[in-house]
Amino acid sequence: DADVTQTPRNRITKTGKRIMLECSQTKGHDRMYWYRQDPGLGLRLIYYSFDVKDINKGEISDGYSVSRQAQAKFSLSLESAIPNQTALYFCATSDLAGPNEQFFGPGTRLTVL
Amino acid sequence: AQSVAQPEDQVNVAEGNPLTVKCTYSVSGNPYLFWYVQYPNRGLQFLLKYITGDNLVKGSYGFEAEFNKSQTSFHLKKPSALVSDSALYFCAVMTGNQFYFGTGTSLTVIP
Repeated sequence: DADVTQTPRNRITKTGKRIMLECSQTKGHDRMYWYRQDPGLGLRLIYYSFDVKDINKGEISDGYSVSRQAQAKFSLSLESAIPNQTALYFCATSDLAGPNEQFFGPGTRLTVL
Repeated sequence: AQSVAQPEDQVNVAEGNPLTVKCTYSVSGNPYLFWYVQYPNRGLQFLLKYITGDNLVKGSYGFEAEFNKSQTSFHLKKPSALVSDSALYFCAVMTGNQFYFGTGTSLTVIP
């Protein structure tokens, strides 16, 4: 089984709809991240969490919210989706503090019409 | 501001030839540098990292990277490219508690 899973893998929705993307991990890591990937822009950090009670905004948090329901679960919500939120979304985890590598989920391809 | 630059969107190399994927960075303080690879329809996979010590870092699948402090570079290298190395490669820097990624370089290894 994959260490970091994301659901759904693909989603098409309409402008104004509320969308939730979910991430689960079995690696036992404390730190979890949400990124979006756009062609030519690389990955940009949306939110990150270092434990259940810690939520931090990243580079591009506007229009998004997150919830850390448990150590293993970190969900990303778009309260009112807009077309420029069409992107590939990745969840990632890392272990403890310090310069440890991140482990990525397979991604969710979101299209907002 | 922290930033990572990958000056080449696309790199083509013949199978068996050496490959280099370039990365330069701009951070305050000591940099922690990473390379990741992304295959189609997959998440990013860690290749290697530089924290401190030897400037030449060895990683997965025969890749290595050279940290050059004076040129603020961290280029990814492999002595002999394989067709299976064709993928999208990302350089990243960690500073504070955040990671900053480059825009990616698409590597194509030509049989």
